[in-house]
Amino acid sequence: GDSVTQMEGPVTLSEEAFLTINCTYTATGYPSLFWYVQYPGEGLQLLLKATKADDKGSNKGFEATYRKETTSFHLEKGSVQVSDSAVYFCALNNAGNMLTFGGGTRLMVKP
Amino acid sequence: NAGVTQTPKFQVLKTGQSMTLQCAQDMNHNSMYWYRQDPGMGLRLIYYSASEGTTDKGEVPNGYNVSRLNKREFSLRLESAAPSQTSVYFCASSVPPPSQEQYFGPGTRLTVT
Repeated sequence: GDSVTQMEGPVTLSEEAFLTINCTYTATGYPSLFWYVQYPGEGLQLLLKATKADDKGSNKGFEATYRKETTSFHLEKGSVQVSDSAVYFCALNNAGNMLTFGGGTRLMVKP
Repeated sequence: NAGVTQTPKFQVLKTGQSMTLQCAQDMNHNSMYWYRQDPGMGLRLIYYSASEGTTDKGEVPNGYNVSRLNKREFSLRLESAAPSQTSVYFCASSVPPPSQEQYFGPGTRLTVT
């Protein structure tokens, strides 16, 4: 079946550092890929998405590129802020109604 | 536009008690979902409803029942709560294909003692 693997956290960075959170997936066909963010005490919010190979999703300074050859969708941001501290989830949808989530990666940004 | 709403926000139950978690969406989405999130873990799907009048089991359905009351509302019932059901419960609804993105409610934090 489909699966999503994320790097384990927590990831601790200083403000203005470069962020990469790795995400790889296993799926047949051509899934859509998503990054969701969960701030403390809240539900998940869609951060960005990509629906086909080589698409780049971007939002709030975050980017991720759908790489079919490496089955990856790594999340990047050039300069993180304290307000980016949250848990980040990679997910895929493979032509159905359901999302398959990775385990989540906690990001902590220190001033 | 409220999006996805859930009630209650917090609940404490004793083992064996029952309760219903309520969820409603105002985005006219066909599909709705119930997840649970345990500490240090990702989200696990309990049940989903692809459209009004249909429900299907997800990854962890045991101990739960659901009702898709109408297009807006999707409730989750615990008939006899157990400590293993202590968790945060999220409801979601989704945009139809090809977008398929899901919108989540704020969650219900349930403790079973």
